[in-house]
Amino acid sequence: KQEVTQIPAALSVPEGENLVLNCSFTDSAIYNLQWFRQDPGKGLTSLLLIQSSQREQTSGRLNASLDKSSGRSTLYIAASQPGDSATYLCAVVDSGNTPLVFGKGTRLSVIA
Amino acid sequence: GAVVSQHPSWVICKSGTSVKIECRSLDFQATTMFWYRQFPKQSLMLMATSNEGSKATYEQGVEKDKFLINHASLTLSTLTVTSAHPEDSSFYICSASPVLSPYEQYFGPGTRLTVT
Repeated sequence: KQEVTQIPAALSVPEGENLVLNCSFTDSAIYNLQWFRQDPGKGLTSLLLIQSSQREQTSGRLNASLDKSSGRSTLYIAASQPGDSATYLCAVVDSGNTPLVFGKGTRLSVIA
Repeated sequence: GAVVSQHPSWVICKSGTSVKIECRSLDFQATTMFWYRQFPKQSLMLMATSNEGSKATYEQGVEKDKFLINHASLTLSTLTVTSAHPEDSSFYICSASPVLSPYEQYFGPGTRLTVT
């Protein structure tokens, strides 16, 4: 059974720092991996989706990498801002029409 | 494109009553829809997988008689919480996989249920 782990569970950094969030999964036979952002009391916002054949995806200050063979992904946030404060969730899907398996998330606080 | 809506966005009900939550794919057809539940400061937990025209598949520990799921069309799935209790208070989120892109999922904005 696929399991997704995210480290750290919580992170507090001063504004402007670059930071890395980690995600690992137990079964490397994934179809894709997705990073989401969730603000308190709100739904999910998809940030980046990496297909299993890809190594990384970039969007603005965000860069996500995928090492499928080792079961790891990282989300790199450059020049963090207070508006980046949220919970970041990593999720994988193994095949079509199957549910995403989520990690427990990393709660990020960026201090001005 | 690929928008999923949920209605209502929040609801407060009294203990013992039933509440229906709708999940709609607005601009695509979805063979499969998923229902998740999220407790405060916890991650999303899959409750059930809903396929159009067939019975939903429930995860272990989720009572199918309490959480009734109907997926009557390719654009609508409903979750009914029957005889709600305060411990059912949670954030319920649905997602939908397009017929033409079964490896993708699009999430609704969630429904906050509070049972008093």
